[in-house]
Amino acid sequence: NAGVTQTPKFQVLKTGQSMTLQCAQDMNHEYMSWYRQDPGMGLRLIHYSVGAGITDQGEVPNGYNVSRSTTEDFPLRLLSAAPSQTSVYFCASSPGTGGFYEQYFGPGTRLTVT
Amino acid sequence: AQKITQTQPGMFVQEKEAVTLDCTYDTSDQSYGLFWYKQPSSGEMIFLIYQGSYDEQNATEGRYSLNFQKARKSANLVISASQLGDSAMYFCAMRERTGANNLFFGTGTRLTVIP
Repeated sequence: NAGVTQTPKFQVLKTGQSMTLQCAQDMNHEYMSWYRQDPGMGLRLIHYSVGAGITDQGEVPNGYNVSRSTTEDFPLRLLSAAPSQTSVYFCASSPGTGGFYEQYFGPGTRLTVT
Repeated sequence: AQKITQTQPGMFVQEKEAVTLDCTYDTSDQSYGLFWYKQPSSGEMIFLIYQGSYDEQNATEGRYSLNFQKARKSANLVISASQLGDSAMYFCAMRERTGANNLFFGTGTRLTVIP
């Protein structure tokens, strides 16, 4: 199993550009999520999904869109990048939502918006 | 209010000694889970240990143990026999029964192991 994969590893955007961060998992996990990590603030939840076709907002959803058309993929779209979105982005997945499951994290994408 | 509080931004420990990383949490749920993750300088998030709110015993995983004090709402991570490879950021996180499988993270503690 590859686990949770994320692409790209690094990205530099100009203010106003859009892009999609890719996330895929091969463990048939129901739950997937996106977090951002900023210095001194830990990880904060952006969006999450409890299954294909179902998404919901987390703590900091503004400026981001998600969709979940398959179990495996959960892309994160930045609609119009802003310097405040400079961060490290982690995708995570877990087997379900009914119990207390460990989340498996991808390697992260470091995004810089200039 | 913060759901997870980690009050130690940085900690130092001598190699082979034990160290305790503090974590307090805030929830009104009766059923919840507490997790610790390690983030080395390479950046990946590594799951270490889990404690359920109804678990009667403190969780242990190798050199890691969780000192769970429910009445005080604390879930401190104890690392025994520290190794140089333990130098990393450590995050405490909580999942409440309500809210899918979403995790709330603390701000982390940077542990440095001194040879």
